[in-house]
Amino acid sequence: QKEVEQDPGPLSVPEGAIVSLNCTYSNSAFQYFMWYRQYSRKGPELLMYTYSSGNKEDGRFTAQVDKSSKYISLFIRDSQPSDSATYLCAMSARYNNDMRFGAGTRLTVKP
Amino acid sequence: DGGITQSPKYLFRKEGQNVTLSCEQNLNHDAMYWYRQDPGQGLRLIYYSQIVNDFQKGDIAEGYSVSREKKESFPLTVTSAQKNPTAFYLCASSAGYGEETQYFGPGTRLLVL
Repeated sequence: QKEVEQDPGPLSVPEGAIVSLNCTYSNSAFQYFMWYRQYSRKGPELLMYTYSSGNKEDGRFTAQVDKSSKYISLFIRDSQPSDSATYLCAMSARYNNDMRFGAGTRLTVKP
Repeated sequence: DGGITQSPKYLFRKEGQNVTLSCEQNLNHDAMYWYRQDPGQGLRLIYYSQIVNDFQKGDIAEGYSVSREKKESFPLTVTSAQKNPTAFYLCASSAGYGEETQYFGPGTRLLVL
């Protein structure tokens, strides 16, 4: 079993839809949770950063962490074609050298 | 503009050849990282460095080497011992202990001729 599981998709939605992206993990020591967006042939860019459990909102993006279920989510409201990318979840226990990444979910938002 | 630069964007390696990928950052970050990205496998850590003149192996260090002579630079050499080097290589940096967010460069795609 991988430490971080993420459905690779692909996921295709119409413009304006609410998108839900998810990851599960097995290591209960993880405390820091991140979502990165990666456009094709580019480096990942940080979208959201959450410490421990709870919700965090930034514009159209909401990150949720449920440590009791070892489950994290990213919601995108009013999705746009420019949101079409691969979304990577990442998490670590304390130091960056133990960061673990999901395989990424490829999202396409159709006009 | 502060950021991380990687060069070249594409690199071709002949069999038996060593090649070096460049990574430079002007964010004044202490820590730097190299990852390998293969389709469907996510990012895997090759090497990391928390401070100048010190670096540690990650999960898949075999066939790779690094140096950290300057704070802003962390080059990665893919040696001939790496039998399956074709991948997208990503360099990242973070402020260091207590700052968990990593920032990535644009990547280098390595192809074998």
